[in-house]
Amino acid sequence: KAGVTQTPRYLIKTRGQQVTLSCSPISGHRSVSWYQQTPGQGLQFLFEYFSETQRNKGNFPGRFSGRQFSNSRSEMNVSTLELGDSALYLCASSFSGDEQFFGPGTRLTVL
Amino acid sequence: GIQVEQSPPDLILQEGANSTLRCNFSDSVNNLQWFHQNPWGQLINLFYIPSGTKQNGRLSATTVATERYSLLYISSSQTTDSGVYFCAVNGGATNKLIFGTGTLLAVQP
Repeated sequence: KAGVTQTPRYLIKTRGQQVTLSCSPISGHRSVSWYQQTPGQGLQFLFEYFSETQRNKGNFPGRFSGRQFSNSRSEMNVSTLELGDSALYLCASSFSGDEQFFGPGTRLTVL
Repeated sequence: GIQVEQSPPDLILQEGANSTLRCNFSDSVNNLQWFHQNPWGQLINLFYIPSGTKQNGRLSATTVATERYSLLYISSSQTTDSGVYFCAVNGGATNKLIFGTGTLLAVQP
């Protein structure tokens, strides 16, 4: 069974731009969660989608948004990028709320 | 919300040594997972262990839910065990994982 995949793996953007990251969960998994990892704040929850509905949201500004498609693939979008958005963005999938499995991450650098 | 504390923050071992990593959490949880973050950043699942004891090769884990802690044991450590170990929990009706700050393990040859 293929694992969680994330694209792109690396991304360089400049301040003010927007970015879209993609995550394909393990086949059969309907829950997709997104996390941000920075040296200062550690691993923080962004949001979770289940069956195309946002089920929970972390404490991030409205510039961070996401969506889930009918095939469970998910995208997250960050608009008006700031230097502080530079981070490793990790996606996790689970069947319904049990064990979560993570993808390799997208490393975003904002210049 | 639930607080997760991991100890020690850093650990240096010689190859072949054993170690114990600890995770304390402040409230009852539905889910507890241990991860190893590899040098490229990916979180590798080690254990899904909301309670009880599990073993996988040289690694084992025990969660005592009533006392709100979990332990990860690494025996006969190898240099490939180096990296950051995270404990993560969720305690509500959501799928949100709350992570500890990790234990940075360095295994020297």
